[in-house]
Amino acid sequence: GQQVQQSPASLVLQEGENAELQCNFSTSLNSMQWFYQRPEGSLVSLFYNPSGTKQSGRLTSTTVIKERRSSLHISSSQITDSGTYLCAGGNNKLTFGQGTVLSVIP
Amino acid sequence: ETAVFQTPNYHVTQVGNEVSFNCKQTLGHDTMYWYKQDSKKLLKIMFSYNNKQLIVNETVPRRFSPQSSDKAHLNLRIKSVEPEDSAVYLCASSSAWEQYFGPGTRLTVL
Repeated sequence: GQQVQQSPASLVLQEGENAELQCNFSTSLNSMQWFYQRPEGSLVSLFYNPSGTKQSGRLTSTTVIKERRSSLHISSSQITDSGTYLCAGGNNKLTFGQGTVLSVIP
Repeated sequence: ETAVFQTPNYHVTQVGNEVSFNCKQTLGHDTMYWYKQDSKKLLKIMFSYNNKQLIVNETVPRRFSPQSSDKAHLNLRIKSVEPEDSAVYLCASSSAWEQYFGPGTRLTVL
């Protein structure tokens, strides 16, 4: 079945620095999403991006289908960006990565 | 408001009891899902229904049973809960590939 490798597992940034989160998939997929998980557990969909590049504010997602990878770029990080970022992909179901725990410090 | 709704938010119970979680989506989607997030924070698919028909059934214990009355509702029943069932259960829906998630139900089994 599909396997998803997410890196790094954790990341500490100073406020204002940029972050690059990576996601690699073992097989081809039709669906690819990036989520932010709030401390209480709810998931916020950041991007649905099965291919190409999408931008929303300081966030940019780039998915390269042929290389079976996707990235999430956070520019000018803020303390409120702290939390867990999850990538997920698949076909008729989503397979999730282990997540990246981001800490942004003053 | 169009979204995915789950009840209850939290549930604490004892080993051997039966629990039932509800999920409703008002997005008009045809497909609904149940995911489990364990203590290691890994999210895994459990079930998927399309128009009340089961289409994905991962390897979960038989004490877990999904129930769908219509395409807007997908409930999850757990007969005789075990300590390892303690987790966050997340419901989602989709019309195509993009999935929308509910707030989750946190189950604690004592």
